[in-house]
Amino acid sequence: GENVEQHPSTLSVQEGDSAVIKCTYSDSASNYFPWYKQELGKRPQLIIDIRSNVGEKKDQRIAVTLNKTAKHFSLHITETQPEDSAVYFCAASKGGGSYIPTFGRGTSLIVHP
Amino acid sequence: GAVVSQHPSWVICKSGTSVKIECRSLDFQATTMFWYRQFPKQSLMLMATSNEGSKATYEQGVEKDKFLINHASLTLSTLTVTSAHPEDSSFYICSARRATGENTEAFFGQGTRLTVV
Repeated sequence: GENVEQHPSTLSVQEGDSAVIKCTYSDSASNYFPWYKQELGKRPQLIIDIRSNVGEKKDQRIAVTLNKTAKHFSLHITETQPEDSAVYFCAASKGGGSYIPTFGRGTSLIVHP
Repeated sequence: GAVVSQHPSWVICKSGTSVKIECRSLDFQATTMFWYRQFPKQSLMLMATSNEGSKATYEQGVEKDKFLINHASLTLSTLTVTSAHPEDSSFYICSARRATGENTEAFFGQGTRLTVV
């Protein structure tokens, strides 16, 4: 089955700095890669996703890159703000009827004001 | 986005009793629902995948007789923790996938904090 590795487990940055979280996956058939943000005691919320036919996607301060050959994808947050502090999960999945996401272990991002 | 409602948000029960958790998709039909367990500061561990009208598919190591899943309609799936024990205390969270489209997003419920005393 799919195996998703996520690094780092914790990330501490100063407000305004950039933050990068990296994930690798094992199954070359995976073609959908969502990123979720989970605040303490709350549900995970999708913040951005990317499909395997795209190498990069950006949404305001958040961007995701995908390298299919190397089987890794990354989340980039620029101009971090204290409200970005949360746990971020990456996931990898096949599409269509085979959609079952495998999650990374999570990265606890702390943005210091 | 679509709304998934999970109930209750927290429950405390005595050891040996059973607890039912509901997961509802409020404004869309969900052919597939997923049940996860999350330990503090850890990732989402998939317990089972349920498809409407058929038996759930359990992940390796998850006891199907202990964690009963019923997906009786396109908008409701239930997880029943039977004969609960303190080690079953955890955060249980469901997600529901919309019935249409390729690679569509799965939306999460708010989770249920189960404490077995």
